Amino acid sequence: GENVEQHPSTLSVQEGDSAVIKCTYSDSASNYFPWYKQELGKRPQLIIDIRSNVGEKKDQRIAVTLNKTAKHFSLHITETQPEDSAVYFCAASKRSNTGKLIFGQGTTLQVKP
Amino acid sequence: DSGVTQTPKHLITATGQRVTLRCSPRSGDLSVYWYQQSLDQGLQFLIQYYNGEERAKGNILERFSAQQFPDLHSELNLSSLELGDSALYFCASSGGGSYNEQFFGPGTRLTVL
Repeated sequence: GENVEQHPSTLSVQEGDSAVIKCTYSDSASNYFPWYKQELGKRPQLIIDIRSNVGEKKDQRIAVTLNKTAKHFSLHITETQPEDSAVYFCAASKRSNTGKLIFGQGTTLQVKP
Repeated sequence: DSGVTQTPKHLITATGQRVTLRCSPRSGDLSVYWYQQSLDQGLQFLIQYYNGEERAKGNILERFSAQQFPDLHSELNLSSLELGDSALYFCASSGGGSYNEQFFGPGTRLTVL
């Protein structure tokens, strides 16, 4: 069935360092891969997404890469700041008449000042 | 603010009871998705409605049901509540386009005692 594996489950970095979170999906028909940031008790917020016809996308300090052959995509955060501390979720969905998201298990990122 | 609203914010009830959670999508969005987030299960897709019709079902229990009304707001009904139903319930909406960017509401925290 559809599955998204996310690693690591926790990540601790020093302020200014880079952070990388990796996800692997099982359904080769998946073609849309969003990343959400969730602060404690708050809603997941879409921070960046990538579509299957693109290999990389950047938005200021965050970037996402996609390897369709390996069914693997990653989130890269550079120059981390304490306000980047949150839980990050990757997700995958298929282009179809339903866009349900299959989420990874989440990564708790802690940025130490 | 995503433009998606959910009420109530918090709900405390007893086992065996029935509750209704309400969601209003962003203006113009036709799709509404419901997700459950519990501590050990991450974000799980429950059900999707598109323009009033059920479009997809996830691992939604038979005790749970949903509907989308002509004004596009949606309600999630949870009955015969059990302790394990305690969770955050999010709805998300999208325009229903090919890539289905989804924007989440603030969630309803359900506590079953």
